Parts: sequence; C-alpha cells; structure tokens
Amino acid sequence: DSGVTQTPKHLITATGQRVTLRCSPRSGDLSVYWYQQSLDQGLQFLIQYYNGEERAKGNILERFSAQQFPDLHSELNLSSLELGDSALYFCASSPRTGREAFFGQGTRLTVV
Amino acid sequence: GESVGLHLPTLSVQEGDNSIINCAYSNSASDYFIWYKQESGKGPQFIIDIRSNMDKRQGQRVTVLLNKTVKHLSLQIAATQPGDSAVYFCAENERGGKLIFGQGTELSVKP
Repeated sequence: DSGVTQTPKHLITATGQRVTLRCSPRSGDLSVYWYQQSLDQGLQFLIQYYNGEERAKGNILERFSAQQFPDLHSELNLSSLELGDSALYFCASSPRTGREAFFGQGTRLTVV
Repeated sequence: GESVGLHLPTLSVQEGDNSIINCAYSNSASDYFIWYKQESGKGPQFIIDIRSNMDKRQGQRVTVLLNKTVKHLSLQIAATQPGDSAVYFCAENERGGKLIFGQGTELSVKP
C-alpha cells in the first residue's frame, strides 16, 4: 500500500458526461501528479500540483481540469467525455518536487 | 521535444538469470531518474532512483546505472524471480518539475 488513495476504483459513464476523480496523497506529501494510461500505453503526464498551486502541465486536454485543495487532496475533472478518454487514471504524490512519487491504484474509466 | 524511451519493449529471461532493462532519455537537463515496476492492474511501484551526480546506485537485488554522456539509464535485476515479471518504466525529472515516463519494457520470467 503506497498510502495514496484514489476513488472511485472503477467508473463507467456515457459519452458527453462529466466525471470527477479524487486523490488523497500520502500524509504530508505536498506534490500531486496526475497521469493517464491507455491500453498498452505508457504513463502520460497530465498535470502536477504543489501545495495547492499548479506546478507543471503536460498534454492535458482543455476538457480536463484539476485542482489541489487546502487539505492537499486533489481532483481531476473530465468533461464532454469521449470514447477515447477510456483509460486508467493515476494519481501520485511526493513529499516535495524532485523526489520519488508514490502512486495510487488508479481509477479505471470506461466511456461507453 | 523531451522524451524518455526504452530500447526493448519485451524481455524474456530464465529464472535465476540477471536482467538488464535499458532506457534512453533525451533531456540533458534532467537531474533525477526513477525506475518503476507495474504489475497488471496495479499502480506503478517505486523501485530505485538516482540523481545526476551519481553514476551507480544499488538496492536490494537491483542496480541502476546512469551514463550522462550518452543519456542512458539501465536497471539490473540480479537472480530474477517469477515475481519480477511486470512492466518496468524509467522516468526522468528536471529540477523538480514534471516526471516524464518512458514507454515501458515488459519483463517475463520463465521458470
């Protein structure tokens, strides 16, 4: 158990809908990363937050947004969902930037 | 652009043999590198890391080598076991910024 908690574990939704994925980082970790992993693909970096502020951005679609709250948990919002958004979404946390990141078990999103 | 890639997508080894998984990175400004192991249906698990001021680091049965001259990273697993079967990713980090992952190498251990 990495100490990073993601909910829900599975999510099935229809195209055009909006969903929110939640991540609770390890206790004391200030940095949160979000990644997308499609079938047989690597981990695509979406966005990073550090202590509530956006720190780095990857190839995150405009339909996607994220935030980190004062209690350091983070949410990834995916809207106007398309079939191609079906993937595993991982959250990771680290105590600070430039350190190892510990991953949650992921949320498997299926868009039908 | 920045990228981290792996030389071999799959690697099959006999139980007890040593495994070597390679990774090339393109961002010369990267100063921190990590190897992760991902088993089916699970999140990536931290294995070992190395900073750019080092060229070798050892853990339990694993060794990471960093060659900054050719921008190459490798993970060596000694006495590979069936439980080592997984996909292995290298990742690079530039001065505390985003952590970029390579494609992954699938390691298969034959009993």
